[in-house]
Amino acid sequence: EVQLVESGGGLVQPGRSLRLSCAASGFTFDDYAMHWVRQAPGKGLEWVSSISWNSESIGYADSVKGRFTISRDNAKTSLYLQMNSLRAEDTALYYCAKDYTAVPRGADYWGQGTLVTVSS
Amino acid sequence: DIQMTQSPSSLSASVGDRVTITCRASQSISRYLNWYQQKPGKAPKLLIYAASSLQSGVPSRFSGSGSGTDFTLTISSLQPEDFATYYCQQSYSSPPELTFGGGTKVEIK
Repeated sequence: EVQLVESGGGLVQPGRSLRLSCAASGFTFDDYAMHWVRQAPGKGLEWVSSISWNSESIGYADSVKGRFTISRDNAKTSLYLQMNSLRAEDTALYYCAKDYTAVPRGADYWGQGTLVTVSS
Repeated sequence: DIQMTQSPSSLSASVGDRVTITCRASQSISRYLNWYQQKPGKAPKLLIYAASSLQSGVPSRFSGSGSGTDFTLTISSLQPEDFATYYCQQSYSSPPELTFGGGTKVEIK
């Protein structure tokens, strides 16, 4: 059974940093691309970042480019999102998601999300 | 950047109705288009990938069509469990840019 468990969310002041983690199990992690997708309270889905199976293809939404860094550790079957210079508009539930291919195409399994609140 | 526009943003329908949701891309995305369903308080669920391929376990009343810039998601006979919000997502770009549409909320009439 595919399991994706996010952690690292919480309350953080504007301008500070936070690192999200996603522990994956139940599939061959290094065969698939991975994603971070967020959803602000009462709003729609917003794609944040994606990474291919071998970390050679990486993309970011314009809203986070230069502030967020996605990475993965295939040996630890884990996905990460380093978030710097956080803003109030980054407040959202952050989902980790598994792709259905080795390169970023779409998400067939999702975690339950970790909540990030940016506020002073 | 590729923009995805869904219509309508919401609709009211009855059980048994045929429902069609449209998604338009700001430029051609070939068939790199996915559809998701999200229910309140839950993570999204993949319904359709590559414009028209039904994800495993998804009922056959769901279907997708289109290519280029115009795509549709059709629910042939709406069931009570289908009341949810639906999102399209493109995955054409390189480097990756998996833009979502704004969503369509399907409500009970």
